[in-house]
Amino acid sequence: NAGVMQNPRHLVRRRGQEARLRCSPMKGHSHVYWYRQLPEEGLKFMVYLQKENIIDESGMPKERFSAEFPKEGPSILRIQQVVRGDSAAYFCASSPPDSLQGGELFFGEGSRLTVL
Amino acid sequence: AQSVTQPDIHITVSEGASLELRCNYSYGATPYLFWYVQSPGQGLQLLLKYFSGDTLVQGIKGFEAEFKRSQSSFNLRKPSVHWSDAAEYFCAEGSGATNKLIFGTGTLLAVQP
Repeated sequence: NAGVMQNPRHLVRRRGQEARLRCSPMKGHSHVYWYRQLPEEGLKFMVYLQKENIIDESGMPKERFSAEFPKEGPSILRIQQVVRGDSAAYFCASSPPDSLQGGELFFGEGSRLTVL
Repeated sequence: AQSVTQPDIHITVSEGASLELRCNYSYGATPYLFWYVQSPGQGLQLLLKYFSGDTLVQGIKGFEAEFKRSQSSFNLRKPSVHWSDAAEYFCAEGSGATNKLIFGTGTLLAVQP
């Protein structure tokens, strides 16, 4: 049973380009969470999605960042016009549809974005 | 605002010595608390979690944690550390009515031979 799959594992972009990070949740999971880890910091919540719905985007920057989780296919975190400060590790986590508050999140290995 | 505090940024222990990593939470009379471990370049793995009931929680890899409401703490312990335990450890608290987690800044554990 495959875990949470993220790709690419490493991505290099120049300032002003777009970055797209993909996350396939564990089989049977319909809840996806995106977290960002800046160097020397903990993980910061960005967004929580269910299929075709954004449930909580309180941690998303107001501009340039967007996320989706379509009915078919992976969840995508999109960063437009990247800047050096976007360089970070982006982690995706998933949980099953019947998980209650406090249920375990299963994390992927992360996508490491470097902006030159 | 809800926050999780891990006061120790780095800790070094000798192999075979005991370990305690500190964590303080700020939210909720009945918190949902977690400890995760992250090896270099890897994702996070759940060590243990506390929802309710027995305040001493057993996890994987010989770790345990004790919930102390009076101190708002959820410290992670291991009686005898192995070299393979060297990693970064994150304490987290559940937030709201979802599985959203608020993480501490992490404690980086180094193990000396």
